[in-house]
Amino acid sequence: DTAVSQTPKYLVTQMGNDKSIKCEQNLGHDTMYWYKQDSKKFLKIMFSYNNKELIINETVPNRFSPKSPDKAHLNLHINSLELGDSAVYFCASSRNPQGTYEQYFGPGTRLTVT
Amino acid sequence: QKEVEQNSGPLSVPEGAIASLNCTYSDRVSQSFFWYRQYSGKSPELIMSIYSNGDKEDGRFTAQLNKASQYVSLLIRDSQPSDSATYLCAVNSGGYQKVTFGTGTKLQVIP
Repeated sequence: DTAVSQTPKYLVTQMGNDKSIKCEQNLGHDTMYWYKQDSKKFLKIMFSYNNKELIINETVPNRFSPKSPDKAHLNLHINSLELGDSAVYFCASSRNPQGTYEQYFGPGTRLTVT
Repeated sequence: QKEVEQNSGPLSVPEGAIASLNCTYSDRVSQSFFWYRQYSGKSPELIMSIYSNGDKEDGRFTAQLNKASQYVSLLIRDSQPSDSATYLCAVNSGGYQKVTFGTGTKLQVIP
């Protein structure tokens, strides 16, 4: 069974479009995250949710809107896509938001904006 | 000063040698430290976690933590070509509300 899954795995779209990425975890974890990994491989946190509540929003443009319908799901919607949004987006989950336990990562969504 | 710093490498070691990966962090109250391995095109996966000063061993991997020096390292003994990957150091910080990742060290094990 896949612990953390993301869809789609690849996303190619044009500037100005709106797109969504979905994430689901079956680990029973309370906390879920979105990370952006750029071409230099730096893994930067974007958002963190704990039991459906937003707890971290790391100066991300408001074109990015996360939504957590329940604690097993965390989706990311991006409006008006820009070239600089091209990156790999990883979803992750952990037992708590304090960072005391390891994070489990999804396979990533490679977003290419042309 | 970056919150979590790593040498980006690449660090090249011959097969069978010991690879030593280093990480420094800035938040003195950090309590949890992690090493993740990321193969090219894949997602990060946990190798080791360490919470107390000293060494923690798991197979060929040893994590070392020195909170006074704000330093955490990962040793890989008997390095194998399959160990070639980017190794990410991660530290909890910001009042324990998040984990910050370093930029990663790329390791190349030469057969």
